[in-house]
Amino acid sequence: GESVGLHLPTLSVQEGDNSIINCAYSNSASDYFIWYKQESGKGPQFIIDIRSNMDKRQGQRVTVLLNKTVKHLSLQIAATQPGDSAVYFCAENIGPSGTYKYIFGTGTRLKVLA
Amino acid sequence: DTAVSQTPKYLVTQMGNDKSIKCEQNLGHDTMYWYKQDSKKFLKIMFSYNNKELIINETVPNRFSPKSPDKAHLNLHINSLELGDSAVYFCASSQGQDNQPQHFGDGTRLSIL
Repeated sequence: GESVGLHLPTLSVQEGDNSIINCAYSNSASDYFIWYKQESGKGPQFIIDIRSNMDKRQGQRVTVLLNKTVKHLSLQIAATQPGDSAVYFCAENIGPSGTYKYIFGTGTRLKVLA
Repeated sequence: DTAVSQTPKYLVTQMGNDKSIKCEQNLGHDTMYWYKQDSKKFLKIMFSYNNKELIINETVPNRFSPKSPDKAHLNLHINSLELGDSAVYFCASSQGQDNQPQHFGDGTRLSIL
């Protein structure tokens, strides 16, 4: 097993409750944002994305909210399940166009309590 | 039919050695990346390639040399390995345009003795 991530912020939620994971991004000019889920021993997995011309986007059990005024992004997970336990990262495309440069947040560990 | 595959999954070697990590994607993407994830889970971009051309070299020491023989492959060669190189290295790919999500491999855990 891994002994990493000891300094990761951790969010513990009861199974069935809603989870909200927050992220502050760095660049006011960033125009695209992604949330990833990383399970132990795996690579980050795409969950949902949002462009800067939107403030909300919904997927299956997940919603991303974007507040450009305060450079804040959040991921809401409805009816959290044990399988949602993982580390969650936000990422922003800081551009400029054609550079494919993505900056990742520090990550939040989500623990789902039975 | 893994979309982004990296080999090896684990790599344990002595300081000063030279090693390579291979990455292949079968998604038809033309942009590929290498990321380094440290022990605190911090994920940092190292390189990006688009159509086999280097786009980003994020102040990575020149001991690290990526090579892209074709759009589906991006390998990473590391010379003179140092203790600080111990990390998990992730390969990723995306469609060429900006604002597309990246697909990641499962990582290569590099441990330097």
